[in-house]
Amino acid sequence: AQSVSQHNHHVILSEAASLELGCNYSYGGTVNLFWYVQYPGQHLQLLLKYFSGDPLVKGIKGFEAEFIKSKFSFNLRKPSVQWSDTAEYFCAVNAYNNAGNMLTFGGGTRLMVKP
Amino acid sequence: DTAVSQTPKYLVTQMGNDKSIKCEQNLGHDTMYWYKQDSKKFLKIMFSYNNKELIINETVPNRFSPKSPDKAHLNLHINSLELGDSAVYFCASRSGTGGPDTQYFGPGTRLTVL
Repeated sequence: AQSVSQHNHHVILSEAASLELGCNYSYGGTVNLFWYVQYPGQHLQLLLKYFSGDPLVKGIKGFEAEFIKSKFSFNLRKPSVQWSDTAEYFCAVNAYNNAGNMLTFGGGTRLMVKP
Repeated sequence: DTAVSQTPKYLVTQMGNDKSIKCEQNLGHDTMYWYKQDSKKFLKIMFSYNNKELIINETVPNRFSPKSPDKAHLNLHINSLELGDSAVYFCASRSGTGGPDTQYFGPGTRLTVL
């Protein structure tokens, strides 16, 4: 079965600091990878996704993530965070062609950006 | 023009009651899901339906019964509610045409069992 680990549970940064959130997954086959963001009191929104091709993917709001297959990682980055990036971030994996294409989520990382 | 909608947004009820949460998507997707997000924000799949047929049924008590009257709707009925059922329940959908695709989430229903 696939699993996803997000090692940083809470991250506190000042505005303009750089961000990197770790995500590792365990699954031996082909995977699709996602980062979702959940702003306070809101639903999950897709930040970016990786299906195939260039392992460096760019998403909305200046976020990017790099898929490193050898490390089973899909870390999220942003060069300069803003106060409005305060949210919960979830990494998710969809094992390609599994029966129901369900997403397995990591435990989430709560990011707080101080103004 | 909300893509995935859920009702109600908030639901407060007593232990032992039966309640339903409704989900509708207007994206023309074939596959719909229910996820549960607990108090620690951990998200876990509960059910998946494809064209009104149950595809995934994770380890969920049989007090939870999904119902899909058509492929645009997936409702969740919960019998004999327990304190531990308190959580945020998210509905999601994807096109289900096979291959990689993105799931789109609804706004969530915050269920509080007293």
